[in-house]
Amino acid sequence: EAAVTQSPRNKVTVTGGNVTLSCRQTNSHNYMYWYRQDTGHGLRLIHYSYGAGNLQIGDVPDGYKATRTTQEDFFLLLELASPSQTSLYFCASSERTGGALEQYFGPGTRLTVL
Amino acid sequence: QQKVQQSPESLIVPEGGMASLNCTSSDRNVDYFWWYRQHSGKSPKMLMSIFSNGEKEEGRFTVHLNKASLHTSLHIRDSQPSDSALYLCAARNQGGSAKLIFGEGTKLTVSS
Repeated sequence: EAAVTQSPRNKVTVTGGNVTLSCRQTNSHNYMYWYRQDTGHGLRLIHYSYGAGNLQIGDVPDGYKATRTTQEDFFLLLELASPSQTSLYFCASSERTGGALEQYFGPGTRLTVL
Repeated sequence: QQKVQQSPESLIVPEGGMASLNCTSSDRNVDYFWWYRQHSGKSPKMLMSIFSNGEKEEGRFTVHLNKASLHTSLHIRDSQPSDSALYLCAARNQGGSAKLIFGEGTKLTVSS
């Protein structure tokens, strides 16, 4: 099964702080995604990428930057964190876009912004 | 913006009973649906996908799709306490887009 890891698993920061969430997948998947999950909103797509150096805007991108440095690594950056960004963040990867693509999710990072 | 609506928000079924979950897309250009299951404190995992009209069965799980109404449903027969989880429906726009739009989920509790 595809392996996606995330770090840190838990993070507490203060308003205005700088946060970087890391994601690594070891299955040579082309696509990687960052989601946030909040009660009442399901999973919402922040940014995604189809390869190293590529970035696509998701549905809730405001306040977030992302960078895909290699096939394996995708980072989410919060440069001026706000309490509204307190959430559970999931990274996911998938092999291809056509057909029955399956997204494999990492274990999640719980971020608290005080 | 495309929306995926799921109902009910929560559902309680007795052990051994049938659970029925619903999902509808507001975007007529959707071509594929997925069902993901997320146990408490865990990450989502794909359960089933469907793109053709009709039904698809895998063990105790059956998925139906009506493309004309953009409605899919998931049915779990002989429900077990281990089926208690958040069930997320996702849809994709035609054209091979890599983006999935997720619904808010249905929380299923199977009471023993």
